[in-house]
Amino acid sequence: GESVGLHLPTLSVQEGDNSIINCAYSNSASDYFIWYKQESGKGPQFIIDIRSNMDKRQGQRVTVLLNKTVKHLSLQIAATQPGDSAVYFCAEGHEAKLSFGAGTTVTVRA
Amino acid sequence: NAGVTQTPKFQVLKTGQSMTLQCAQDMNHEYMSWYRQDPGMGLRLIHYSVGAGITDQGEVPNGYNVSRSTTEDFPLRLLSAAPSQTSVYFCASSYSPDRGTGELFFGEGSRLTVL
Repeated sequence: GESVGLHLPTLSVQEGDNSIINCAYSNSASDYFIWYKQESGKGPQFIIDIRSNMDKRQGQRVTVLLNKTVKHLSLQIAATQPGDSAVYFCAEGHEAKLSFGAGTTVTVRA
Repeated sequence: NAGVTQTPKFQVLKTGQSMTLQCAQDMNHEYMSWYRQDPGMGLRLIHYSVGAGITDQGEVPNGYNVSRSTTEDFPLRLLSAAPSQTSVYFCASSYSPDRGTGELFFGEGSRLTVL
């Protein structure tokens, strides 16, 4: 079946270091991929997206990489800050449907 | 703009009771959807709608009904609540992907407990 999953459920990173969060997906028909951040007690917030015809996209302090050959997606956060502590979800989209992975909890150490 | 507004934020039900979770968006988005989020799991799609008058089932539709009579509103009905429906429910909306990325805008969530 179709599934989106993250490689690791938790990630601990030193403040100021770069973070890399990985995600594997299985639906070759997905048109776009999105990373969301969810803080405790809140709804998910959009971070960055990438279309299936791209392999890299950069935002402010974040970069998303897409490798369609191995169906792998990653989110890189530069100079991780305490405010980056949250659960990160990757999601793959096809038409109106978005499927989410289980999430990676990122904890930033001071 | 208020974005996506969900009510109520918290609700406790007894098994067998019915209720409706309300969702409204003021961004003129075509797409609206309902997700549930359980501990340690990602969001799972319950139902979605690509426009007024059109709804479809997602990954976990059983026990839930939806309707989309207007662009703005997308209520989720629990017909006969069961403890397995204890969860946090998120409503989301977006433009159709051909108008943008398909980025979902989420409400703040409705925490439902079924006893």
